[in-house]
Formats: sequence, structure tokens, C-alpha cells
Amino acid sequence: GAGVSQSPRYKVAKRGQDVALRCDPISGHVSLFWYQQALGQGPEFLTYFQNEAQLDKSGLPSDRFFAERPEGSVSTLKIQRTQQEDSAVYLCASSLAGRAMDTQYFGPGTRLTVL
Amino acid sequence: GNSVTQMEGPVTLSEEAFLTINCTYTATGYPSLFWYVQYPGEGLQLLLKATKADDKGSNKGFEATYRKETTSFHLEKGSVQVSDSAVYFCALLPWGDSWGKLQFGAGTQVVVTP
Repeated sequence: GAGVSQSPRYKVAKRGQDVALRCDPISGHVSLFWYQQALGQGPEFLTYFQNEAQLDKSGLPSDRFFAERPEGSVSTLKIQRTQQEDSAVYLCASSLAGRAMDTQYFGPGTRLTVL
Repeated sequence: GNSVTQMEGPVTLSEEAFLTINCTYTATGYPSLFWYVQYPGEGLQLLLKATKADDKGSNKGFEATYRKETTSFHLEKGSVQVSDSAVYFCALLPWGDSWGKLQFGAGTQVVVTP
């Protein structure tokens, strides 16, 4: 079946531009996570949704970062006024239910480069 | 705070060699431990997990044992194949976490040559 998909796969933005990154989770998955992976590093947690509710946004690095999942399926991560330090791969993961030990299924990521 | 440290790569070895990737962690209580693998061009995939001390996770010939006394979760495989070339991430789920907020190490690239 279809896995987690993300679009675009690559995004180049000029400093100061706004970007929107999309995640399509596995159908029926309740939980959705966003992670940020800097070059040569492991993923770092950004935010978590359970259905449409954003239950944890403790990892968002600044108020320029905003995420939503209005209908409990597709999610969008928006970054306003991008900075060079925002350059990273943004990963989305989904899991079946709202249990911490549920297996997370990751998308291929969106590589954001800010010039 | 919690943290995961894994050996730096790249680790280069020949087909059929023995693979060990070291992973140690710092955490309070009793975290759950995971190994994820990322093949070229693909998303991270769960390889194996262990939820309590002395548990052994295993999958696809890989094994790791949760050692609380040494705070370690080293990944091993007895005979690697070229298809095992990938980046391997050790991760922990903090004790008492409600959502599944994984904390990852930096990853170890493994290159297996024929």
C-alpha cells in the first residue's frame, strides 16, 4: 500500500521567502510527526498531531515555524521568512494510533535549501 | 536531558564480514530503544526495538540487546551483504513519553563492498 509521501522533495528558497511543505500520511493513521534533520545529524522532533489536534509543538525552533493538520489527514509545515539555518531535510512520520510505542512510518523527506 | 551517541561513520567492510555499530544513551528511568535504517533514496524504516532491560530485538539478521548496566544498545549482524549499505540510526523513546517523540543519534553510514 501507499506509504507516507512528502512534497516537494526538494525546495530552494531565497532568504526571507515563505515555504510550505506537505505531508500525506498513511491513510487512517491517527498520529503525525514532523522532524528536522540537519546535515550529518539525526532527526530532531518538531511537532506532533493526533488527528487534527496539535498536542506538542515543543520542538518548533521559532515562531516562524507553523504546522497544521486541519482535517486530521494531510499536514503542512510552513516556515515564514526563511533563514539559512532552516536548511535541512524535513521528515514527516505517521503511526496508526495515539500510542507512543506504535511504529512510525517515515516519508522520504523534503530537502530545503535556503540561499 | 536525554541523548543518544553512536559511533561515527562511515564504516566500510567487505561482504560477509561482521558488523557492530555502537550506541550508548543517557536517559532517566526506562526508555525504549530502537534502531532505524535509511536506505539510499528512502525514508527511515524501523529495524528493531527493545522496550526493557535485557530485551533483544532482532530483524533481518540484525540483533541488539538493551543493556541497562552499560546504557547501551549495540547493533550487530553476523554476515553483511551489499544490500545492507545504508545509514543506521539509534533512537530512544523517553520513559513516560505520551506521543512517541523519538530522540535520534547522528547516524552511522555503513558501506559494504563486494
